[in-house]
Amino acid sequence: EIVMTQSPATLSVSPGERATLSCRASQSVSSDLAWYQQKLGQAPRLLIYGASTRATGIPARFSGSGSGTDFTLTISGLQSEDFAIYYCLQYNNWPPWTFGQGTKVEIK
Amino acid sequence: QVQLVESGGGLVKPGGSLRLSCAASGFTFTDYFMTWIRQAPGKGLEWVSYISSGGVTIYYADSVKGRFTISRDHAKNSLFLQMNSLSVEDTAVYYCARVGILTGYCMDVWGKGTTVTVSS
Repeated sequence: EIVMTQSPATLSVSPGERATLSCRASQSVSSDLAWYQQKLGQAPRLLIYGASTRATGIPARFSGSGSGTDFTLTISGLQSEDFAIYYCLQYNNWPPWTFGQGTKVEIK
Repeated sequence: QVQLVESGGGLVKPGGSLRLSCAASGFTFTDYFMTWIRQAPGKGLEWVSYISSGGVTIYYADSVKGRFTISRDHAKNSLFLQMNSLSVEDTAVYYCARVGILTGYCMDVWGKGTTVTVSS
């Protein structure tokens, strides 16, 4: 089973600033990495797939990069609606699909 | 629009059973693989089960193997999860999620979830 590790657990950012979230896989997942946003009481929403492709309707301030074992989600110019928990998911070697434990982006 | 709507959650005693349903609409259900994912209170996301588009290939997480059964009914455009021998560790919000075709094999559409509480 591939273990996904996200850092940091919590990220405090001021509105308008940039947030950089990391996700590391225990073995290579190529570019089969997705990012999800989850707001309190809501279902996760797909932001990025293929490590760097934005899903339909996702604003350009969200960008993903990386391949192999190290990945980054960058949110440029944080807006109030971006404060949420973000999860990475590997779908290279399944079953099982495995998620990171999440990074909470909070208002500084 | 593309939509998944779960139902069937509730309060059940340890050792009991529940059957979750997920109604799909807005897309050709028969074309897609489907999954169940759960989230315990205050915790992260855990993949639970997968079923192929034709229902032939099925996988389970080790934590539910032998207790949960996934199935689908194409006439009803519905996905199901039969959960037996429930324990307090199964308490969670259960999400039905579509495995994307154009997005590779990640989950691209999620339902809002249904809450399962296992407690005496």
